[in-house]
Amino acid sequence: ETGVTQSPTHLIKTRGQQVTLRCSSQSGHNTVSWYQQALGQGPQFIFQYYREEENGRGNFPPRFSGLQFPNYSSELNVNALELDDSALYLCASSVLGARGYTDTQYFGPGTRLTVL
Amino acid sequence: KQEVTQIPAALSVPEGENLVLNCSFTDSAIYNLQWFRQDPGKGLTSLLLIQSSQREQTSGRLNASLDKSSGRSTLYIAASQPGDSATYLCAVYILTGGGNKLTFGTGTQLKVEL
Repeated sequence: ETGVTQSPTHLIKTRGQQVTLRCSSQSGHNTVSWYQQALGQGPQFIFQYYREEENGRGNFPPRFSGLQFPNYSSELNVNALELDDSALYLCASSVLGARGYTDTQYFGPGTRLTVL
Repeated sequence: KQEVTQIPAALSVPEGENLVLNCSFTDSAIYNLQWFRQDPGKGLTSLLLIQSSQREQTSGRLNASLDKSSGRSTLYIAASQPGDSATYLCAVYILTGGGNKLTFGTGTQLKVEL
């Protein structure tokens, strides 16, 4: 167990809807990263939040957005859902040090999103 | 652009066999490399992390090596057990203007048979 929790476990939505996924980071961690994992693929980096600010973004459109709260928990919001958004969404928490990089990222169990 | 490749994509071995999983990456400017295990439909469990300045790390029956200059890493599993059946992912951690991120391979699906 990593201490990183995600909710909900599973979610079914229809095309065009909006969804919010939640992540509670491990105690003492100040950074949350979100990844999308399509079936049979490796996870793809969506974005990272550090101290409530976006700290980098992968190749995902603006309809993917996020928030980080003062307690370092985080939300991933996806607007105008498309069929290809069906995937396992993983969050990972870590400690971003003064030198600007982190070591081990601890992953949560993921949220399985199905878009019909 | 960093690309990570894992070979083989799938592997089936009898219990007790020693095996090697391979990972290659195109850009040697990495900060570290991690090996993860993923059970079906589950999240990722970190197995080993190798800093860019290190050559190998060991944990129990697992040994991971890193040759940064050639862009290669291997995960060696000794005396495999049915409980080792899972997908193994390697990921390199890079520092970029687009964020500090892990770039993953597509994984090796391992099945250890009785």
